[in-house]
Formats: sequence, C-alpha cells, structure tokens
Amino acid sequence: EADIYQTPRYLVIGTGKKITLECSQTMGHDKMYWYQQDPGMELHLIHYSYGVNSTEKGDLSSESTVSRIRTEHFPLTLESARPSHTSQYLCASSLAGAWEEQYFGPGTRLTVT
Amino acid sequence: KNQVEQSPQSLIILEGKNCTLQCNYTVSPFSNLRWYKQDTGRGPVSLTIMTFSENTKSNGRYTATLDADTKQSSLHITASQLSDSASYICVVSRQTGANNLFFGTGTRLTVIP
Repeated sequence: EADIYQTPRYLVIGTGKKITLECSQTMGHDKMYWYQQDPGMELHLIHYSYGVNSTEKGDLSSESTVSRIRTEHFPLTLESARPSHTSQYLCASSLAGAWEEQYFGPGTRLTVT
Repeated sequence: KNQVEQSPQSLIILEGKNCTLQCNYTVSPFSNLRWYKQDTGRGPVSLTIMTFSENTKSNGRYTATLDADTKQSSLHITASQLSDSASYICVVSRQTGANNLFFGTGTRLTVIP
C-alpha cells in the first residue's frame, strides 16, 4: 500500500463553492501529480510539480490551481465549482527519475450539483 | 487520437480461466511501458514495467510482453481469480518532453465464479 493520502474521498458540493482537495505523501517523493479521470476514460494530467515551489500545468486544461509549499503536500483548489468539474481526481507521486513508478492515492470523487 | 489504444474495452471471464489484454501505442521516442491495475474506487497500482530491450516480464500470475518493433504489448493473466476484477491500464513513457506519460483508457476485466 502506497503512503499517499487523499481527502476527502467523496465530496458533493453546490455550484459556486470553493473547494480544496488534499493530497499528502510520506515517501519523500519530489514529483507529484494531479489527474482527472471520468468513468471509463483515461487519466488526464492536469497539474504536476517537480518539487517545492514548482507547479506546472498538464495536458488537460483545468480551472483548478495547485500549490507546493511543502514536499509532502500538494493541494488542489477550485475557486468556484461547476457541474463540469464533476469527476474523479487522483493524486500521485514519484521519485525524480524518468522511469520511476508513480504511486497513486485512492482518489477523490467530486460531484458538483 | 489517443497514442495508447487498449483492447478489449471490457472482458468477462470465468474464474480459473486465462485471458490476454492488448495495448498498442504510437508514442515515440519510446522509453518504457507499464501495466497498472486499478480496483474500483482506488488509485492505479503498478504491475510491471518494461523497457524496449525486454520482451517479457512476469509478476506472479501476470505476464507482460512487449514488441517494440510493432509497438504492441500484452498482459496475460493466468488462472484468474475474483480479485483480478479491475481495470488494467497501459501507460507508455516517452523519452522526451515535460509531460511524457500517455495513458490508455483501460480494459475493464470482470471475473465471475
């Protein structure tokens, strides 16, 4: 079992609310990632980080933002949730090498009503 | 068009039977290929990693093959168990580029008693 945690696991929230999805890892990994996954679809990278104070946008355009103030913590924030944000959000981390395995958290299932 | 295509999209087999999942990719220049298992409501977990010089690799009842010339990989599951029911995702890494991971949509495997 990977030491990477996400909270909450499930969230139902109304349109316009601000939300923060938490992700923490205790493996000391430099790289961290956020993916969005709709049912039956592939994972899409929305944000990643090479380390503290590093954040980059991924392939899929997202209205969310991230921060990396501590190595172990990589929260994702939506300033104003919309129904189109309904999805599963997966956080992952890895060592810095190109071949390194990504360890995934259990995911947050977000529903915006 | 996705650079990683998996087939079949879904598969139902009887417990104890074998099955083979396919992954075709166009990602170039190729670095490595991983097979992940994703249980429902969980994050993916790595099963195997293969580089261009490896033809086959086993992890218990899971055997992955790679043909770098035809850009095809397969995951063979032997003597299936109910716990094998999950989505199996093929992930191909590219040698260059900041976002160098390409995910397939997965094969949903259901093992029935």
